[in-house]
Amino acid sequence: DAKTTQPTSMDCAEGRAANLPCNHSTISGNEYVYWYRQIHSQGPQYIIHGLKNNETNEMASLIITEDRKSSTLILPHATLRDTAVYYCIVRVVGTGGFKTIFGAGTRLFVKA
Amino acid sequence: DVKVTQSSRYLVKRTGEKVFLECVQDMDHENMFWYRQDPGLGLRLIYFSYDVKMKEKGDIPEGYSVSREKKERFSLILESASTNQTSMYLCASSRIPGTGELFFGEGSRLTVL
Repeated sequence: DAKTTQPTSMDCAEGRAANLPCNHSTISGNEYVYWYRQIHSQGPQYIIHGLKNNETNEMASLIITEDRKSSTLILPHATLRDTAVYYCIVRVVGTGGFKTIFGAGTRLFVKA
Repeated sequence: DVKVTQSSRYLVKRTGEKVFLECVQDMDHENMFWYRQDPGLGLRLIYFSYDVKMKEKGDIPEGYSVSREKKERFSLILESASTNQTSMYLCASSRIPGTGELFFGEGSRLTVL
């Protein structure tokens, strides 16, 4: 699975959009981009995933560059409860999540 | 609401004790996983199972075993707990073929004294 690079930490003001970047320059054509988050002392929670088109759900939007070498997770109106570690993962779909490799992620602090 | 439930949130055990960590999912998922999470090391896969009575080693299986007698239940066993097994243990499940999305439990924090 392709390696991802994320900033160690980021700050965001409450009510503003949080834009979390991820680089995955060695991504293969059949690998998807997944985002999870982990709030302190809880298990990771799936947020969104995509292949090449931009995706949006009730939690966030995922913007993938045309060359697919990077992506951005957008939380449109961050709240204090969005303070968490966010993981960007790239992997092949089809084996039910096997070999989902979690890196260090980005620690997002949402401040009042 | 879909759910992965881990039997204990916090456990304290002594070196040499046998430890059982239980995980139950109510989504009829084929795949189940056990990870451990340690500061600076991220989540590491211990074992996974893709069907009843089937298991495969993950990246760090040493010192652990697993049991999957029923589809909804996946147990992690520490035959003889050691202090270096003090960690947060996370169970997850996913569907085949599915989208690859993992559903996690809340975690079990084990301390071995």
